[in-house]
Amino acid sequence: DTGVSQDPRHKITKRGQNVTFRCDPISEHNRLYWYRQTLGQGPEFLTYFQNEAQLEKSRLLSDRFSAERPKGSFSTLEIQRTEQGDSAMYLCASSPRDVEETQYFGPGTRLLVL
Amino acid sequence: AQTVTQSQPEMSVQEAETVTLSCTYDTSESDYYLFWYKQPPSRQMILVIRQEAYKQQNATENRFSVNFQKAAKSFSLKISDSQLGDAAMYFCAYVGLFNAGNNRKLIWGLGTSLAVNP
Repeated sequence: DTGVSQDPRHKITKRGQNVTFRCDPISEHNRLYWYRQTLGQGPEFLTYFQNEAQLEKSRLLSDRFSAERPKGSFSTLEIQRTEQGDSAMYLCASSPRDVEETQYFGPGTRLLVL
Repeated sequence: AQTVTQSQPEMSVQEAETVTLSCTYDTSESDYYLFWYKQPPSRQMILVIRQEAYKQQNATENRFSVNFQKAAKSFSLKISDSQLGDAAMYFCAYVGLFNAGNNRKLIWGLGTSLAVNP
């Protein structure tokens, strides 16, 4: 297992379209995080899963955003009716169970909404 | 609420020289972790070094070391013998250990862009 993977790496879409991103965490990492990063900023927390349970969602995550982690493995992040303000890098990270507090990041999905 | 402040938006260093990046944080918690992550242009976030708050000894990873001053809430990163490959955005991050549901969400600074001059 080589690390956290994300797909796609880049996505260009038109305003109003729906997009879905996928994150595959490191095997046996029970914690999974989504962050959003805009140009010149640090990442901002979006949501957190422990196994399949979504335990926290940021206020940044409007009703147009939904995330799932079926079976506690991979996760998807869907944005409905995209807006230009959704343009950002979406980062996924995973960490192991109660062993250490380090999060390992994927390469990110860069979204551009035209 | 916890906050992380990086007061140096940009820094530069000559190859083989030493540079120190500053980070301060604010928290009322006593137990937490601090991290430095590196993000090269168009590449993924990579962990550089981490520090457990309960440890007084400063963490070291090869050419990277930290100066952790818990009372002052300061967590600076020193890069020795700088290399061209060290050029990147460096982020300081905090995680508290007492969030609901064991949520270890990272609180990030705005980053410091480090240029390494040959």
